[in-house]
Amino acid sequence: AQSVTQLGSHVSVSEGALVLLRCNYSSSVPPYLFWYVQYPNQGLQLLLKYTTGATLVKGINGFEAEFKKSETSFHLTKPSAHMSDAAEYFCAVSEGFGNEKLTFGTGTRLTIIP
Amino acid sequence: SQTIHQWPATLVQPVGSPLSLECTVEGTSNPNLYWYRQAAGRGLQLLFYSVGIGQISSEVPQNLSASRPQDRQFILSSKKLLLSDSGFYLCAWVPRNYGYTFGSGTRLTVV
Repeated sequence: AQSVTQLGSHVSVSEGALVLLRCNYSSSVPPYLFWYVQYPNQGLQLLLKYTTGATLVKGINGFEAEFKKSETSFHLTKPSAHMSDAAEYFCAVSEGFGNEKLTFGTGTRLTIIP
Repeated sequence: SQTIHQWPATLVQPVGSPLSLECTVEGTSNPNLYWYRQAAGRGLQLLFYSVGIGQISSEVPQNLSASRPQDRQFILSSKKLLLSDSGFYLCAWVPRNYGYTFGSGTRLTVV
């Protein structure tokens, strides 16, 4: 069975500071990994995904994440936070081709301090 | 273009009343479709998924049911709502390049 752990349900960073949102997963097969962002009362928008290949993946809005198999991690980063980054972020894992069902973490609410 | 529509956006229903939420996808055929629920302060829980017309898999025993009467239509229903059914319901489908595409969600409040 798959699972996702997001450390820190709330993270606050100053505008212009580094954003780091942590995600650890467990999977019995090579995982497909995803980060989603959710703004209030909206659906989830895909930020980036890792399926195969390069372990450092770049997404929209300046975010990137690195798949580290040895650490079973897929942390999300952004070098410089912007006020518009304030939202809730979800990490998710699937078993990939042939099994698309996603297992989500409980989410991290990101607050940007002006 | 491929889009997913979900309605209504918000809904307030009394306990014991029926429920019908609809999700439709455009610009694709035979999509795999999913219903998720997001309860306050919690992550997303997969409720149902469907790989084709009339094919429904339930992930969690509950007061809800799902149907897929047409290729690009997925409906979430209940005969009698409970207070615990309140939440944010999201429909999703998976394009070939992976990564779910979500609808805009329905905020259901059972009173």
